Formats: sequence, C-alpha cells, structure tokens
Amino acid sequence: NAGVMQNPRHLVRRRGQEARLRCSPMKGHSHVYWYRQLPEEGLKFMVYLQKENIIDESGMPKERFSAEFPKEGPSILRIQQVVRGDSAAYFCASSLLARLGRDGYNEQFFGPGTRLTVL
Amino acid sequence: DAKTTQPNSMESNEEEPVHLPCNHSTISGTDYIHWYRQLPSQGPEYVIHGLTSNVNNRMASLAIAEDRKSSTLILHRATLRDAAVYYCILRDRGSGNTGKLIFGQGTTLQVKP
Repeated sequence: NAGVMQNPRHLVRRRGQEARLRCSPMKGHSHVYWYRQLPEEGLKFMVYLQKENIIDESGMPKERFSAEFPKEGPSILRIQQVVRGDSAAYFCASSLLARLGRDGYNEQFFGPGTRLTVL
Repeated sequence: DAKTTQPNSMESNEEEPVHLPCNHSTISGTDYIHWYRQLPSQGPEYVIHGLTSNVNNRMASLAIAEDRKSSTLILHRATLRDAAVYYCILRDRGSGNTGKLIFGQGTTLQVKP
C-alpha cells in the first residue's frame, strides 16, 4: 500500500507565477490535510478537505491560495501570483477517519512534502 | 485547542534512554495526547498516543501524569535515527473537532554517537 504521494518534490517559481502542488492520499483515505512549514518554523495547518468538499480552511491565507479534492484524482493546492514569502515546505496528510476513534486513534499519514522556492 | 509546552531542544547519547517532557495544564477531559516526530527533510510521522494510562508500542512509551497535566515520551534506547523534532499534540475527541493537528515548536532531539 503506497503511502501519501506528493509531487513535485521541489518546485521553483518566479514571483507572479502560479504554483500547483499535488497530493495523492493513501488508498482508501478520503480525508486530506495541507500544512505549511516556513523556514525555521513549525508546521501550520492550512486546510482540511474531504472528497469534493472543503471542511475547514481556517488556516488558509485569504488571497491567492485555494485547494480542491475532486471526486477523481489528487488533491491540489494552488498558489496564484507567488511571492517570496510563499517559499516553504508544503506537506499533505491523509487519514482514514474524520475524527478520533473510540480509542483516540486516528493517524495522519504525511507525504514527503513539496519544497517551493520563489525566486 | 489546549496548548502544549515543550523544551526547545534536548541532547542524548546513543543507546541511552531519552525522556521528552510535555506540559498541557489546560487539557480537557476529551483531549488525547498524541506525539508525532519529524525527521530531517521528511514529513511528520505518528509515534504514540494515550488518554490516561501509560502506553507502549514498538517505537516508544508514553507516561501520563495522574492529573494529565503533563506527559513524557520515552525512547528506551536512542539511536542516531531518532534525531528529530518531537511534537506533543492534544487532539479532542469531541464532535466539533475537524481533526487538524496543531503543532507547537516541538523539541529538537540531538543524539550523539
């Protein structure tokens, strides 16, 4: 069973260009989370999606950022008109359940991340 | 979400036990204590979780204080591969929780050969 896959692993964009980051969750997982890790900082939640629905986007910047998780295909995090401050590692995670199970377990499986560099 | 406090960094010698503390004085009755770690240049990975009782798995042990206001992740024999940032995270089992993980700064563990 393949783990969470993200591509590309490294992405270089010039200011003003668009960045598209892809995430394929683990097989059977319908819950996807995106996190961002700025240089020398911790991970910050961005958005939580289920198939075709955005459930929680409380961590998404108000402008230029969008996310989708279509019925078929990977989840996409899209950043329009990138700026240097968008340079970061973007991690995607997937889980089997929406919430913790009775025993408190609900592991989020993380992908290897996409490292975005904005020149 | 309840907040956790961890030391910024710790050092250990290889093959010695490591105790990584976490304070969570405002923990609620429905909060589970989860630990994740992030190896260099990788995504985080789950380590262990617990509610009240101490827990053991193949990776580590979790000791939870009786009042649940603190916990300790125990690596019984640290290896060089255990060098990582360790995150203590509270996860609410309540229905209002969307499942997102709230990461703090974590503890950077250095393991010396």
